Amino acid sequence: ETGVTQSPTHLIKTRGQQVTLRCSSQSGHNTVSWYQQALGQGPQFIFQYYREEENGRGNFPPRFSGLQFPNYSSELNVNALELDDSALYLCASSLRSMNTEAFFGQGTRLTVV
Amino acid sequence: AQSVAQPEDQVNVAEGNPLTVKCTYSVSGNPYLFWYVQYPNRGLQFLLKYITGDNLVKGSYGFEAEFNKSQTSFHLKKPSALVSDSALYFCAVRDESGYALNFGKGTSLLVTP
Repeated sequence: ETGVTQSPTHLIKTRGQQVTLRCSSQSGHNTVSWYQQALGQGPQFIFQYYREEENGRGNFPPRFSGLQFPNYSSELNVNALELDDSALYLCASSLRSMNTEAFFGQGTRLTVV
Repeated sequence: AQSVAQPEDQVNVAEGNPLTVKCTYSVSGNPYLFWYVQYPNRGLQFLLKYITGDNLVKGSYGFEAEFNKSQTSFHLKKPSALVSDSALYFCAVRDESGYALNFGKGTSLLVTP
């Protein structure tokens, strides 16, 4: 177990709705990243938060947004859901360093219908 | 941009035989390379990383990886495969910004009894 927990584990939403996914980081980690893993693909970087500010973003539109809280827990919010947003969403916590590994949660499976 | 490639979609090996899962990388500067494993409906588990130093890196569950600068490769190896090693394996490289991990598309390993 990595100590990174995500909720909920599964979620079904309707196209156009909004969703919030939650992540609790591993103790001692100050950085949280979110990834989207479509079926049969590798994880794709969405964004990273450090000290409650976004400090890196992948190729995702602004309707993907996030928050990091003082206790280093985090939320991923997705507005105006599209069918292609159906994926496994992974949260990863780490220390803010190039050479440290990230520890992943079990993921939230989002299905948009 | 830093990237990795996993040329094999699937690797099949008999239990007890050695296994190799291939990964090649393309980076500017020093590579920070990682291997992760994913079991069905689970998040990613960290196996090992190469930052600098010895070209042979040892990791969890008996896995090791060989860094080869001239061939720009970072292949994952295990001397004797177990059926329980059957899973999806991802190679990743730290993005030059330091924020993201860029993953390969994954290699499915099947170990048969």
